[in-house]
Amino acid sequence: QKEVEQNSGPLSVPEGAIASLNCTYSDRGSQSFFWYRQYSGKSPELIMSIYSNGDKEDGRFTAQLNKASQYVSLLIRDSQPSDSATYLCAVAYGQNFVFGPGTRLSVLP
Amino acid sequence: DTAVSQTPKYLVTQMGNDKSIKCEQNLGHDTMYWYKQDSKKFLKIMFSYNNKELIINETVPNRFSPKSPDKAHLNLHINSLELGDSAVYFCASSGGPRPFFGPGTRLTVL
Repeated sequence: QKEVEQNSGPLSVPEGAIASLNCTYSDRGSQSFFWYRQYSGKSPELIMSIYSNGDKEDGRFTAQLNKASQYVSLLIRDSQPSDSATYLCAVAYGQNFVFGPGTRLSVLP
Repeated sequence: DTAVSQTPKYLVTQMGNDKSIKCEQNLGHDTMYWYKQDSKKFLKIMFSYNNKELIINETVPNRFSPKSPDKAHLNLHINSLELGDSAVYFCASSGGPRPFFGPGTRLTVL
């Protein structure tokens, strides 16, 4: 059974702070990892993808991957109230994408 | 110019009825999916089709039957609806490493 785990939250951070979201996965053979953001009542939208160990930065977002520890994280710098959403970690297994349960982030003004 | 579209957006029906949800993508992707998101927001894959062929069929009751008339369409038919089928159903398509999601269909079974 391929599993993806996340803390369900809610994670509350003050505006301007760094939000740190974590994800672990069970299958060492996984090669592709994604972070999706889902606003309430909306569909998930891709915000980051990462395929190799290390950090990948895109604007205020940084994805970090550690395959040895089977761990993926997402850092959001200078958090804004508009970042308040559920963040879903997804891991690709062939053509299947397994999603974690999501972490609800609340950025307080 | 919507990439992945679903109809209807909302579906309210009685237990025991049969209903269908339609999905279309205009991205030229070869792979399409149905995901179910329950009240706890857990997004679980149900089916995946690649070029009209079923490639993933998770443990889903056989009351659910997907149909792909061509690679741009993937419909979902549900027989004998039950209360536990209430959820948001997302269609998605993928031409590469990750899926693009449609707007979702919120199904409520009364």
